[in-house]
Amino acid sequence: DADVTQTPRNRITKTGKRIMLECSQTKGHDRMYWYRQDPGLGLRLIYYSFDVKDINKGEISDGYSVSRQAQAKFSLSLESAIPNQTALYFCATGSGQSYEQYFGPGTRLTVT
Amino acid sequence: EDQVTQSPEALRLQEGESSSLNCSYTVSGLRGLFWYRQDPGKGPEFLFTLYSAGEEKEKERLKATLTKKESFLHITAPKPEDSATYLCAVQAVTGGGNKLTFGTGTQLKVEL
Repeated sequence: DADVTQTPRNRITKTGKRIMLECSQTKGHDRMYWYRQDPGLGLRLIYYSFDVKDINKGEISDGYSVSRQAQAKFSLSLESAIPNQTALYFCATGSGQSYEQYFGPGTRLTVT
Repeated sequence: EDQVTQSPEALRLQEGESSSLNCSYTVSGLRGLFWYRQDPGKGPEFLFTLYSAGEEKEKERLKATLTKKESFLHITAPKPEDSATYLCAVQAVTGGGNKLTFGTGTQLKVEL
């Protein structure tokens, strides 16, 4: 079974709709991250969380919000989706003992 | 601002034809440099972490090296299954959240 899972894997939504992307992990890591990937821009950090009570903005947090429901669950919400939020979204986890991050399979989001 | 530049953008090799991918970086104090492999439609898969200049890591046909300004991913006698996009990322000692700054990747295709 995958250590980091994301749902849904694909989603098409309309402008103005609210959408939530979910991430779960079984690695036992305390740190969780949300990134988006766009062609030619690489992966960019949206939000990160070091534990259930800790939420921090990344470099491109405008238009997004997150919730850390438990150590293993971290969700990303788009309150009112817009077309330039069309991208691949990845959840990642990491521990405090090492610095590498482990990524989920991604969600392909299309906003029409 | 931390920056990562990868070259070439795309590389086509014949099976068995060794080559190197380059990752040039600028960072305000390097905590670690990371190499990932990404297959189409999947999340980045962690390969290596390098922490200091002169360090080398190997895994099967891949070898990563690090200097103070760049890292190389050497691929020896590649096989078609090595075809993927290879991503380089850096993490700074300072700054929030153990953030990874990614390059845009090198798309490698190995042909028979």
